[in-house]
Amino acid sequence: KNQVEQSPQSLIILEGKNCTLQCNYTVSPFSNLRWYKQDTGRGPVSLTIMTFSENTKSNRRYTATLDADTKQSSLHITASQLSDSASYICVVSENTDKLIFGTGTRLQVFP
Amino acid sequence: KAGVTQTPRYLIKTRGQQVTLSCSPISGHRSVSWYQQTPGQGLQFLFEYFSETQRNKGNFPGRFSGRQFSNSRSEMNVSTLELGDSALYLCASRKRQEDSPLHFGNGTRLTVT
Repeated sequence: KNQVEQSPQSLIILEGKNCTLQCNYTVSPFSNLRWYKQDTGRGPVSLTIMTFSENTKSNRRYTATLDADTKQSSLHITASQLSDSASYICVVSENTDKLIFGTGTRLQVFP
Repeated sequence: KAGVTQTPRYLIKTRGQQVTLSCSPISGHRSVSWYQQTPGQGLQFLFEYFSETQRNKGNFPGRFSGRQFSNSRSEMNVSTLELGDSALYLCASRKRQEDSPLHFGNGTRLTVT
């Protein structure tokens, strides 16, 4: 069964600290993997997309990695800010264009 | 460029009633998909429409239905509401079906009492 699992379920860090969110998937065939950020009360917004041939991609303070062999991805947030408080959702796409959603990691950044 | 617009923003209904939610996609986007989001289940895919045709469907009962109009606007209908239907319903559009990001609206918060 195609699944996407995210860990941790929730995370609390202090402003300025770094953190890493994990996404493990069993989706096959694999097309791409996206990370979305969802602020409270708003819809998710795409942060980055990873395809099979990409290992690392950065978007400002967000760095996503992909290991297609172990079927793992991570999202690293550097020098966290209060505005990083949100849910982060990992979404994996099959070749048939079917999307498999993770249940998300809820990140809270405190001053 | 206007984003995805969902109406209404909040809705309170009682069990047994039916409800219709509306979604206006980003101009030029022909694919519209709907999702149910609850704290315990995360985002659950309902269905996707492309050029007025339902292309994919999730594992939801027949009480959940949708349609897309020629201008790409979409509606979702839930009949015979149950308490468990209380959730945030999100609509997303994208430019073409394959390999483009979903652009989500801010959702309709449905509460069933």
